[in-house]
Amino acid sequence: QSALTQPASVSGSPGQSITISCTGSSSDVGGYGYVSWYQQYPGKAPKLIISDVTNRPSGISNRFSGSKSGNTASLTISGLQTEDEADYYCSSYTSRTNLLFGGGTKVTVL
Amino acid sequence: EVQLVESGGVVVQPGGSLRLSCAASGFTFDDYAMHWVRQAPGKGLEWVSVISWEAGSTYYADSVKGRFTISRDNSKNSLYLQMNSLRAEDTALYYCGKESGYGNYISRGIDFWGQGTLVTVSS
Repeated sequence: QSALTQPASVSGSPGQSITISCTGSSSDVGGYGYVSWYQQYPGKAPKLIISDVTNRPSGISNRFSGSKSGNTASLTISGLQTEDEADYYCSSYTSRTNLLFGGGTKVTVL
Repeated sequence: EVQLVESGGVVVQPGGSLRLSCAASGFTFDDYAMHWVRQAPGKGLEWVSVISWEAGSTYYADSVKGRFTISRDNSKNSLYLQMNSLRAEDTALYYCGKESGYGNYISRGIDFWGQGTLVTVSS
């Protein structure tokens, strides 16, 4: 099964807001409320920043927010900071093979 | 504090076998499903396999089905991945991950990750 579709890169200036999309199908993103987002710095393990489409785990900044419309989920980072420069991945439950990741998005802070 | 520590990654020849382990602590291990996820050098995350809390259900990515076997020993708080018929494309950092959903949830997401163990398949 192909990965969920994410833009390869997104950039923004400090203080701006950016949005990363994650597009799937009715068999995954659109059919279930189990979309998660992860932040990964180079050489480090991924870190959960959004679960169940919109939930922020304890300790995660409220500058990160998640949403979903149809077959596309989105991660918005508001008030962009230099420390937000990292790779971001979405995942979704899928009826096909259980869990599916997006291809990843590199966020650059200009 | 949740801790996941993977081990077992080495250099292995194509066609060879390997068993990865993941030692878990800081949570009630047998309350959660557990995952293996891999990341090839310079590439994205690829989900590999999941096992339910009681080991009654297992699921695999198509790319490893029939070659890899996931298992767990709840008495030892440990997760395993038996990897057979290894190929060059299996070269990756293998992460162990804790399922975010409690109990019977299998794939809501992964809320804690280990640091990974590197598997290199090369002659």
